[in-house]
Amino acid sequence: AQRVTQPEKLLSVFKGAPVELKCNYSYSGSPELFWYVQYSRQRLQLLLRHISRESIKGFTADLNKGETSFHLKKPFAQEEDSAMYYCALSDAGGTSYGKLTFGQGTILTVHP
Amino acid sequence: DAGVTQSPTHLIKTRGQHVTLRCSPISGHKSVSWYQQVLGQGPQFIFQYYEKEERGRGNFPDRFSARQFPNYSSELNVNALLLGDSALYLCASSARQNSPLHFGNGTRLTVT
Repeated sequence: AQRVTQPEKLLSVFKGAPVELKCNYSYSGSPELFWYVQYSRQRLQLLLRHISRESIKGFTADLNKGETSFHLKKPFAQEEDSAMYYCALSDAGGTSYGKLTFGQGTILTVHP
Repeated sequence: DAGVTQSPTHLIKTRGQHVTLRCSPISGHKSVSWYQQVLGQGPQFIFQYYEKEERGRGNFPDRFSARQFPNYSSELNVNALLLGDSALYLCASSARQNSPLHFGNGTRLTVT
């Protein structure tokens, strides 16, 4: 069965510092990976997905199949990046994103 | 755009009772997924419905059931409630099966 692991429950950085939120997965096929974010008092929302290979709010994530990782990175963190971040995996081969396997989440706090 | 709406927002039930949670997807979205989020954990997939048919089921007992109506709204039913069913129940909709998910704010269920 597939599994998503986010090893850090809490991550604190100072404004302007680089930030990396780790995500490792286990899945034998070709997964599709996502990052979801939940800001304070807001609903869970999609941040980015690996197939788009885009940068959203300065964040990027590269799928490394050799290391089975999909770490989220930002070179200069901002206070408004403080939120809960979830890594998620779809095993449906692009046919369905309704069934996602989520990690436990990482709370990112960016200090001024 | 009102987004995905869920009702009620909070609910308190007693062990052994039955509960019905409701979800209205974003207009035009035909796929609805349900997730359970226990405190401190990531969301866990329960069901996906697309075009009124069940398209996926997570590892939950038969006490959990759902359906999707002709207007694409959905209900999640849980019978014989257990204390362990206490959680935030999230509904997410998408335009198609392989479109990104849009989450609602959830229904907080407390079983006493």
